[in-house]
Amino acid sequence: DVKVTQSSRYLVKRTGEKVFLECVQDMDHENMFWYRQDPGLGLRLIYFSYDVKMKEKGDIPEGYSVSREKKERFSLILESASTNQTSMYLCASRSTGGAKQEQYFGPGTRLTVT
Amino acid sequence: AQTVTQSQPEMSVQEAETVTLSCTYDTSESDYYLFWYKQPPSRQMILVIRQEAYKQQNATENRFSVNFQKAAKSFSLKISDSQLGDAAMYFCAYKTGYALNFGKGTSLLVTP
Repeated sequence: DVKVTQSSRYLVKRTGEKVFLECVQDMDHENMFWYRQDPGLGLRLIYFSYDVKMKEKGDIPEGYSVSREKKERFSLILESASTNQTSMYLCASRSTGGAKQEQYFGPGTRLTVT
Repeated sequence: AQTVTQSQPEMSVQEAETVTLSCTYDTSESDYYLFWYKQPPSRQMILVIRQEAYKQQNATENRFSVNFQKAAKSFSLKISDSQLGDAAMYFCAYKTGYALNFGKGTSLLVTP
């Protein structure tokens, strides 16, 4: 079974803290993605990685950075958390060669910044 | 940038009835993929159905089917014989390149 896991389902952090969100996939996928989901806004792409150590900015990268040192793991970093980063964060992965072009999603991390 | 529009923030359907969720998109590409994803209240996003733009035949997966109108840039999802388990947020998504562009979602309520 395809599996994407995220380190926490719920997270509460204080303003100014450095926050790490971890995502692991077990499907040997090349591509990994971080989305942010807010009510009425749908999903918006923060960053993606098309291979190990490679990364590209998405639509809303400000305030975020990412790290991909190993193929199976993609981390999202909030250097200094702010209240406007309170949101649901979804990780996804995809095989470059997959005929279906499908992205597989993790369960999400609900982050609250106080 | 490509945009995806879901004009129905909320929809309601009775069990066993049929419902259609609308999606339009804007693109200048000729080759792309379209998807419908479902997100139940537990939040795990799963793929419902996908359509390759070069295929004229509409995709079907059991009770789920699409009406793909390429010229009109329309990609609606039809759910037949609706079940309580179909209640969820439904997102239409467009893919070209690496990432997906999502619509804002339609919340589907299924009533007994």
